[in-house]
Amino acid sequence: GESVGLHLPTLSVQEGDNSIINCAYSNSASDYFIWYKQESGKGPQFIIDIRSNMDKRQGQRVTVLLNKTVKHLSLQIAATQPGDSAVYFCAEKRTGGYQKVTFGTGTKLQVIP
Amino acid sequence: GAGVSQSPSNKVTEKGKDVELRCDPISGHTALYWYRQSLGQGLEFLIYFQGNSAPDKSGLPSDRFSAERTGGSVSTLTIQRTQQEDSAVYLCASSLPQGTQNTIYFGEGSWLTVV
Repeated sequence: GESVGLHLPTLSVQEGDNSIINCAYSNSASDYFIWYKQESGKGPQFIIDIRSNMDKRQGQRVTVLLNKTVKHLSLQIAATQPGDSAVYFCAEKRTGGYQKVTFGTGTKLQVIP
Repeated sequence: GAGVSQSPSNKVTEKGKDVELRCDPISGHTALYWYRQSLGQGLEFLIYFQGNSAPDKSGLPSDRFSAERTGGSVSTLTIQRTQQEDSAVYLCASSLPQGTQNTIYFGEGSWLTVV
């Protein structure tokens, strides 16, 4: 069946280092991918998205890479800060039909001061 | 409003009681979603509304769960005869119609504890 999963449930990173959070998806029909950040006690917040016609997209301190060949998605956070500590979810969607979004289980990022 | 608004933010209820959770989506967003998140877990899809189309109820875990959306705006998720395993955060999200920006935006959630 369709699924979106993450390779690492917990990632510990030293403050100032770069973080890489990985995600695998299984539905080759997915054409839109989103990363969300969820801080403790809050709802998920949109970080960055990428469409399947792209393989890289950059935001402020974040970069998303998409490899459709191996159905892999990653989120890179540059110069990780304590405020980046949160759970990160990847999500996939097919823009045909309706907009149901499937989420992965999440990766907890711990930033070590 | 500026964002997705959910109420109550916290609810403690006794086992067997019914609860109603409310979601007020972003103005102009015709798509509305409910997700459930147990402690330390991912997001479990419950139900999806898109305009006047029939809702996708495929994620509702049992017939104790139901949701409606009145006037294409506010939605209510109802859980009847609550059980302890219903304890979770119930997240509502909304987005613009299909064919426009696809990002969905979440509320802060309603934290439900069944004792």
